[in-house]
Amino acid sequence: DAGVIQSPRHEVTEMGQEVTLRCKPISGHDYLFWYRQTMMRGLELLIYFNNNVPIDDSGMPEDRFSAKMPNASFSTLKIQPSEPRDSAVYFCASSRWGGAYEQYFGPGTRLTVT
Amino acid sequence: SQKIEQNSEALNIQEGKTATLTCNYTNYSPAYLQWYRQDPGRGPVFLLLIRENEKEKRKERLKVTFDTTLKQSLFHITASQPADSATYLCARFTGGGNKLTFGTGTQLKVEL
Repeated sequence: DAGVIQSPRHEVTEMGQEVTLRCKPISGHDYLFWYRQTMMRGLELLIYFNNNVPIDDSGMPEDRFSAKMPNASFSTLKIQPSEPRDSAVYFCASSRWGGAYEQYFGPGTRLTVT
Repeated sequence: SQKIEQNSEALNIQEGKTATLTCNYTNYSPAYLQWYRQDPGRGPVFLLLIRENEKEKRKERLKVTFDTTLKQSLFHITASQPADSATYLCARFTGGGNKLTFGTGTQLKVEL
């Protein structure tokens, strides 16, 4: 298996622009998680899906953030409009059995908003 | 709120020694604790999971302990090697959802 795939690996954009991050989970994994990692706050859960349905989005910082999972093999995290404080590494992870069990992380997308 | 804390100071040890990393949590005991390794520029990689009714878990040179009295988990790497140098994250799961709360990680450097 190729593991969790994320694209792009790096994104540099100007403040106010729309940013879309993409994730392909491991086939057969029913749970998908979006995290954000910064030096100050560490790794924070933004939202997670179970069987393509958003279950908990309490970690999404603002209405500027939205996530979708149209099918079992694809998810997007969108920021519109982007701000410099959104600069971070965004990880997607998937799990077969849920958050209690091992999660498989993608390589991350490093977002820089100038 | 349920917090999980790791020593933010880097740990430097000599090759061949045992590295011990600490994870402390507040409030009630997590049902599970997980440990991950993260290398620079990469996503975390799962290492071990320990349940609250387990005192110890081993995998090759790795050992994790769970002390619900001290509200602490210890992560040991025996016979450490330079290749073990990385940041190690602990994470708690407390049930009632599928969320993990991660600590900020401890950076380990194994020197020759």
